[in-house]
Amino acid sequence: ETAVFQTPNYHVTQVGNEVSFNCKQTLGHDTMYWYKQDSKKLLKIMFSYNNKQLIVNETVPRRFSPQSSDKAHLNLRIKSVEPEDSAVYLCASSSGTISNERLFFGHGTKLSVL
Amino acid sequence: GDQVEQSPSALSLHEGTGSALRCNFTTTMRAVQWFRKNSRGSLINLFYLASGTKENGRLKSAFDSKERYSTLHIRDAQLEDSGTYFCAAATGGYKVVFGSGTRLLVSP
Repeated sequence: ETAVFQTPNYHVTQVGNEVSFNCKQTLGHDTMYWYKQDSKKLLKIMFSYNNKQLIVNETVPRRFSPQSSDKAHLNLRIKSVEPEDSAVYLCASSSGTISNERLFFGHGTKLSVL
Repeated sequence: GDQVEQSPSALSLHEGTGSALRCNFTTTMRAVQWFRKNSRGSLINLFYLASGTKENGRLKSAFDSKERYSTLHIRDAQLEDSGTYFCAAATGGYKVVFGSGTRLLVSP
């Protein structure tokens, strides 16, 4: 049963465009995350939000920015996409810190930059 | 550098047989989770462990923080077990590092 919802499933765009991915969780969790899965299938954390505060911000390019209206939503905006941004972006949530709580993932958003 | 080394990268099993997946960590991890990526691309939670072992049906997982490894055992493999399995380890706080995945194919 999916409780972390991501839209869109796929997005194709051109270099320089702006894109925005949405994520919503209905689990009542306190923390949400964005991960990037690269071409080698490695998952790397990009951002995490806890109670509308940015907790972790890995060294991602400035064109990426997380946007949260409340603890159930965490969107990801890319201001000016570049070819290397092509990847699958996964949203996740947990009720507390990752160290003691399970992560629940959305289906992912596949971005293709032409 | 890489903190999680997952092996094997690919595994083929016949129905009814079993095997083990392993993740080695280069540093002390506080907890580990195992996921299976299904045909729709969703990451499905299998186990969460802060220590010890857990069993669920034909799956069993172990985590030894001191020895820096975790395993996922599959017994009596079924066709529907096919997919890509990931371990993910928590270094502390909100940081999680994923393994590179094991692609499992179960054949008749």
